[in-house]
Parts: sequence; structure tokens; C-alpha cells
Amino acid sequence: DIQMTQSPSSLSASVGDRVTITCRASQSIASYLNWYQQTPGKAPKLLIYAASSLQSGVPSRFSGSGSGTDFTLTISSLQPEDFATYYCQQSYSTPFTFGPGTKVDIK
Amino acid sequence: QVQLVESGGGVVQPGRSLRLSCAASGFTFSSYGMHWVRQAPGKGLEWVAVISYDGSNKYYADSVKGRFTISRDNSKNTLYLQMNSLRAEDTAVYYCAKDLVEMATIGMNYWGQGTLVTVSS
Repeated sequence: DIQMTQSPSSLSASVGDRVTITCRASQSIASYLNWYQQTPGKAPKLLIYAASSLQSGVPSRFSGSGSGTDFTLTISSLQPEDFATYYCQQSYSTPFTFGPGTKVDIK
Repeated sequence: QVQLVESGGGVVQPGRSLRLSCAASGFTFSSYGMHWVRQAPGKGLEWVAVISYDGSNKYYADSVKGRFTISRDNSKNTLYLQMNSLRAEDTAVYYCAKDLVEMATIGMNYWGQGTLVTVSS
């Protein structure tokens, strides 16, 4: 099975900050990497699919990059509604494992 | 608009069974793969199972293989998860989710609100 790791596990940031979250796969997954955002009590929301494609309706301040084993989610200017937990997920092979999550909270 | 509505959760004793349902609307259900994803209280997301658009292919997480069965009824636009031999560690909110694109798994772009399963004596 492919293992996914994320760093950091949590971070504190201010509105307007640039935030970068890293995801690493235990083996190459090409570009089969997705990013989700989850706020407390809500279902996850797809932000980025195929490593760098912005899901419809997601603000352009979100971007994704990477391929192979190393991936990055960047929020260019953090907004109040962006304080949430972010998960990466590989869709290269089953089981479609998620990373452990990165919690972004207010500094 | 796309809607996914889970039902069937509740409190169940260890070793017993439960069947979850996910009623889909607002899209051509028979064209999309569907997933179950769960989240234990205070924990992260765990992918559970996927079924292809036509039901011909099914895959499971190791933690549920042999105990859970995913299925679908395209005539009823409904996804199911039959959960047998339940354990305390199966306690979680269970979400159904829809594949982003037809006949392929790239990402999950719509999710239900989740249904809570509690396994406890």
C-alpha cells in the first residue's frame, strides 16, 4: 500500500499569509494526487485534483504542484474561511490512502 | 444539483452488522464510481471502499476487507455499504462520495453529510 505523509501536521498563520503544505508519497504516484479541505463538522471539499488542477469553484489563491512522490499545496493569501484541516490523497492505486492532515489555525 | 444523502447509521454492538445507504440525485449515477470514506471521532480521513460505475469492480481498505461489502443499485441511484463483524475501531462518521469524472477515479468532488456509526456494547 502507498503511504502518504504531510508536513507540517499543524501550523499557525495570519490572514494574508502565504501558506505551503507538503505531501509525500511512499512511492511514485505520477500526478494522481488530490487535496481536500475540511472544516469542523463538515464533509471534505475537493480543492485540487491531478496534483495541479483547480476544482471548479475553488478560489485561485489555492494552487497545487508536484509529481512523482513530492507535492505541495499553496494558499497565496490566507483568508478567514481557509482556517481548516487539509488532506492529501493519492488516487494512483487502491487503497486510495489519505495523508494524516495539516491543521491550519489562526496565529 | 448533486445530492448525496447517507442513512443507516446508529449504535450497534460489536460483532453485529449494519447496512449504510447513500441516495444519489442530480447526476447520472450509473456513470460514476462511488466511494465510502470514514472518519473516526477526532481523527483523519480513511478511505474505505470504491465501486466502479457499473458495479463490476470493487476495492477495499485492508482494515475492512472481508468484513465490509460495497454495492450499488443503479436503478435506484443508491450506494450501499454492508458492514459485518463490526468492531469498536469501526466507530466513525461514514461519508459516501462521488468520483470527479465518469468511469475513472481522479478525485471525489461531491460528498454526503455523513452518517455516524457507533460500535459499542
